[in-house]
Amino acid sequence: EDQVTQSPEALRLQEGESSSLNCSYTVSGLRGLFWYRQDPGKGPEFLFTLYSAGEEKEKERLKATLTKKESFLHITAPKPEDSATYLCAVQAGSGSRLTFGEGTQLTVNP
Amino acid sequence: DSGVTQTPKHLITATGQRVTLRCSPRSGDLSVYWYQQSLDQGLQFLIQYYNGEERAKGNILERFSAQQFPDLHSELNLSSLELGDSALYFCASSVAPQGSEKLFFGSGTQLSVL
Repeated sequence: EDQVTQSPEALRLQEGESSSLNCSYTVSGLRGLFWYRQDPGKGPEFLFTLYSAGEEKEKERLKATLTKKESFLHITAPKPEDSATYLCAVQAGSGSRLTFGEGTQLTVNP
Repeated sequence: DSGVTQTPKHLITATGQRVTLRCSPRSGDLSVYWYQQSLDQGLQFLIQYYNGEERAKGNILERFSAQQFPDLHSELNLSSLELGDSALYFCASSVAPQGSEKLFFGSGTQLSVL
């Protein structure tokens, strides 16, 4: 069974204070690892897909990296508008459904 | 805006009742997924349809059922509702039934069972 574990559960940062979120996974036949952002009361919003170990992707203050066992979402000089829950998900085997971790709730204080 | 439309946004009902949640996928997307998000369990996959046919099943209760219609919209039917069914229900869509396709999520239906 695919398993995705995210840490920490919650993270509070000061504006400009860089940090990283972790997503460790156990799957058989990884097809892709996805990062989503979710704001309260809204649906998850796609950020990145990573396909193979060593791959990196960047978008504004966010950078996602992937190894064979985990992924990191690095947040550089965050702003209050980066406050959200960040979800990691894996796609494995022959299907396209996503298995999600429980998320990291990020709060960035001004 | 993801292009995925879910109605209604909020639903309040009583235990034992039956409700229907509706989802219209993005234009051109043939695959529809239903997820349940509760405070203690995160996002849980329920069921997937592709072009009208059931493709994959997750942790969906027997009291729940879904279908995808010829116009590709989908409905999730929840019956004999219990307090524990209170959750956010999300629909997502993608172009293909499999492969490394990102899913686009709607804004969800908040179900409250009283």
